[in-house]
Amino acid sequence: EAEVAQSPRYKITEKSQAVAFWCDPISGHATLYWYRQILGQGPELLVQFQDESVVDDSQLPKDRFSAERLKGVDSTLKIQPAELGDSAMYLCASSTGTSGYNEQFFGPGTRLTVL
Amino acid sequence: KQEVTQIPAALSVPEGENLVLNCSFTDSAIYNLQWFRQDPGKGLTSLLLIQSSQREQTSGRLNASLDKSSGRSTLYIAASQPGDSATYLCAVGIYGNNRLAFGKGNQVVVIP
Repeated sequence: EAEVAQSPRYKITEKSQAVAFWCDPISGHATLYWYRQILGQGPELLVQFQDESVVDDSQLPKDRFSAERLKGVDSTLKIQPAELGDSAMYLCASSTGTSGYNEQFFGPGTRLTVL
Repeated sequence: KQEVTQIPAALSVPEGENLVLNCSFTDSAIYNLQWFRQDPGKGLTSLLLIQSSQREQTSGRLNASLDKSSGRSTLYIAASQPGDSATYLCAVGIYGNNRLAFGKGNQVVVIP
């Protein structure tokens, strides 16, 4: 069964360092999402891609976060510099179609701890 | 802004009992509603997807209902098992910006 892949699964870093997360969506899924989930909370959308284009990054802290999906397939989310408050689970999801109104499938996530 | 609330936040039930988890949302203009399961430190597993035109979906021991007009969904898990212990998240799809709005989850423990 096709799955969303993410790496690394766990990342520990010191504040002010740079970190990067990778996501490979289900093959053929045009829409890709990055969510952040703080412990005890529900996930919140950071950025949404339609193919290689950003369609929603209104909740992305652009002073330190960046995201790209250069060829419209896999994607990278970067944080530079990391802050203590960035400790969270970073989840990637994908869906078919172009409207975004489709079921979202989630990857296993990357657990980030900032010391 | 769409607000999603899940009650109760946490519950424990003895094995074999039926589970009832509630989700409420403030804006009925949704295109679908998804129930997810999340094990500690893991990603989300989709359990059921209900389109806005549907009233319920069933999969095995799971049944989810949707009442858009009252802004409510209920997830029923029949004959609970210890393996059902997890956090269950409700998410609604919001028209216009194509995003999911999540609740904080129902943390469930099934006691053997």
